[in-house]
Amino acid sequence: EAGVAQSPRYKIIEKRQSVAFWCNPISGHATLYWYQQILGQGPKLLIQFQNNGVVDDSQLPKDRFSAERLKGVDSTLKIQPAKLEDSAVYLCASSLGGARVELFFGEGSRLTVL
Amino acid sequence: GDSVTQMEGPVTLSEEAFLTINCTYTATGYPSLFWYVQYPGEGLQLLLKATKADDKGSNKGFEATYRKETTSFHLEKGSVQVSDSAVYFCATNSGNTPLVFGKGTRLSVIA
Repeated sequence: EAGVAQSPRYKIIEKRQSVAFWCNPISGHATLYWYQQILGQGPKLLIQFQNNGVVDDSQLPKDRFSAERLKGVDSTLKIQPAKLEDSAVYLCASSLGGARVELFFGEGSRLTVL
Repeated sequence: GDSVTQMEGPVTLSEEAFLTINCTYTATGYPSLFWYVQYPGEGLQLLLKATKADDKGSNKGFEATYRKETTSFHLEKGSVQVSDSAVYFCATNSGNTPLVFGKGTRLSVIA
């Protein structure tokens, strides 16, 4: 079974530039998550989708971050304009949905903002 | 909201030593508890989980018991190997709420 796919693995940009990350979840997984993991910290949820609808985006900095999940499969996370403090690993995860289920994570996309 | 607190690292052990990584949780309702592991260069993967009080999760020689009376879910392994070197994350969720992670504990095992 293929896992969660993310790209790019690494991205270096200058502040005020824009960047986009892509995620393809495990086939059949209804729920998709984007987490931000800053160096030395645990992952923090940015947004959760159930199919193509947003369930929770309370911690997404909406002035610069946006995410979409068209057709309820792939998802894109965009940052525009980037700030230095956005340097982090962006993790995508998926699950079957429902309560107390296991999340399956991709390898992450490491962003460095100079 | 739900939260977990886990011991600060890094932890450095010799091969075959006993490992304990402490984790305590704060949650409303009846949370599920998880340990995730992140090996160098890889994504997070589930190590073990427990969904109700007194449950013991186990995998790859690691164990953790869901202790409601002490709100704890400490990770243990009787004899660590060099291949166990990784970052370990305690996590929790309740009902349909998203998974909330601790800060992670880096373990280094030396031969």
